[in-house]
Amino acid sequence: AQSVSQHNHHVILSEAASLELGCNYSYGGTVNLFWYVQYPGQHLQLLLKYFSGDPLVKGIKGFEAEFIKSKFSFNLRKPSVQWSDTAEYFCAVNAKDSNYQLIWGAGTKLIIKP
Amino acid sequence: GAGVSQSPSNKVTEKGKDVELRCDPISGHTALYWYRQSLGQGLEFLIYFQGNSAPDKSGLPSDRFSAERTGGSVSTLTIQRTQQEDSAVYLCASSLAPGLDTGELFFGEGSRLTVL
Repeated sequence: AQSVSQHNHHVILSEAASLELGCNYSYGGTVNLFWYVQYPGQHLQLLLKYFSGDPLVKGIKGFEAEFIKSKFSFNLRKPSVQWSDTAEYFCAVNAKDSNYQLIWGAGTKLIIKP
Repeated sequence: GAGVSQSPSNKVTEKGKDVELRCDPISGHTALYWYRQSLGQGLEFLIYFQGNSAPDKSGLPSDRFSAERTGGSVSTLTIQRTQQEDSAVYLCASSLAPGLDTGELFFGEGSRLTVL
């Protein structure tokens, strides 16, 4: 069965630190990849997505993610985090042979200390 | 509406009672999804609607769960004879195009269900 693994359930960083959140998936075929974010008290929203082309994708608020096909990974990065980045981050994968089914990771709670 | 609206935002019920959760998607969005999020878990797919049809109900955990969508708009998720393991946040999402063609789901804020 397809699965998505997010390695860290909780991450605590100080402001200005660099961030990398891991995401690995298990599926041998072609995929679309997503990162969603949920800020405290808000709904889930799309941070960035990869469908095809340049494996380095840029999203909102200075986030980026790199798709490494050989490693089945789609890690999220930000060079310098801010207190306002405190949120829960979810990685999700869509196998291209299903046009609606998203498989979600368990999420990573990120806390930024001011 | 401006966003996906879900009601109630919180529901506390006794074991064995029926509950109904409502989702009002963004106007014009043809695709609608229900997910369940339990504490510390990722989102669990429940059901997908394209228009009023539900081509995939495979995620519904048991026959106590049912969902419908009318007029290509509002959807209702019904849980009969609730059990404590049904306690979770139920999330609704909609998207403009069929399936994930646009890649973006728009989520509501969820309905938190607590079964005592």
